[in-house]
Amino acid sequence: SAVISQKPSRDICQRGTSLTIQCQVDSQVTMMFWYRQQPGQSLTLIATANQGSEATYESGFVIDKFPISRPNLTFSTLTVSNMSPEDSSIYLCSVVGDRAYGYTFGSGTRLTVV
Amino acid sequence: GESVGLHLPTLSVQEGDNSIINCAYSNSASDYFIWYKQESGKGPQFIIDIRSNMDKRQGQRVTVLLNKTVKHLSLQIAATQPGDSAVYFCAETPPQGAQKLVFGQGTRLTINP
Repeated sequence: SAVISQKPSRDICQRGTSLTIQCQVDSQVTMMFWYRQQPGQSLTLIATANQGSEATYESGFVIDKFPISRPNLTFSTLTVSNMSPEDSSIYLCSVVGDRAYGYTFGSGTRLTVV
Repeated sequence: GESVGLHLPTLSVQEGDNSIINCAYSNSASDYFIWYKQESGKGPQFIIDIRSNMDKRQGQRVTVLLNKTVKHLSLQIAATQPGDSAVYFCAETPPQGAQKLVFGQGTRLTINP
């Protein structure tokens, strides 16, 4: 299955600032997904990032707050903008793996906003 | 909208016993289901999956059962080990879902020595 490297693994940020999270995959993938996992909760999809097109955002998530880049088939970034303590979560990227409908996740970025 | 839920938020079993983790899903047209294991500080790890045209699938020490009549999914872990302690999530791909996953709330499984 695909191997995903996600950076940073954790960060503590001041409110009002922005953080960009990077996701690097060891193989070319068409679709990449960004999820948020709030403390003690399940995963919620933020957006789907396809190379060469605008990301598709889920209800409740907007591009101004979570801009996404997908410059090629192995890389994507998610920016958490103008952060507030409510943005403290784990952010994970995911790709559809090499088995039919198999999904692989990165290890996540644990973000704390103070 | 679609949702996938779990019956119990926590489950404790004795080491060596079998465990069953349950999941209810709401969209009868969902066609693919996955169980994930998430250990502290890590991303979800794929355990086993099942398509809607099957009702049972077995892996190494794990079995997934799908009951489409009552929209119920379960994960059975045989002969539990301390390393099985984690949070387990079920996930589904809704129809026309562009391959996105909808996750259930999660069950924390604790294996007691």
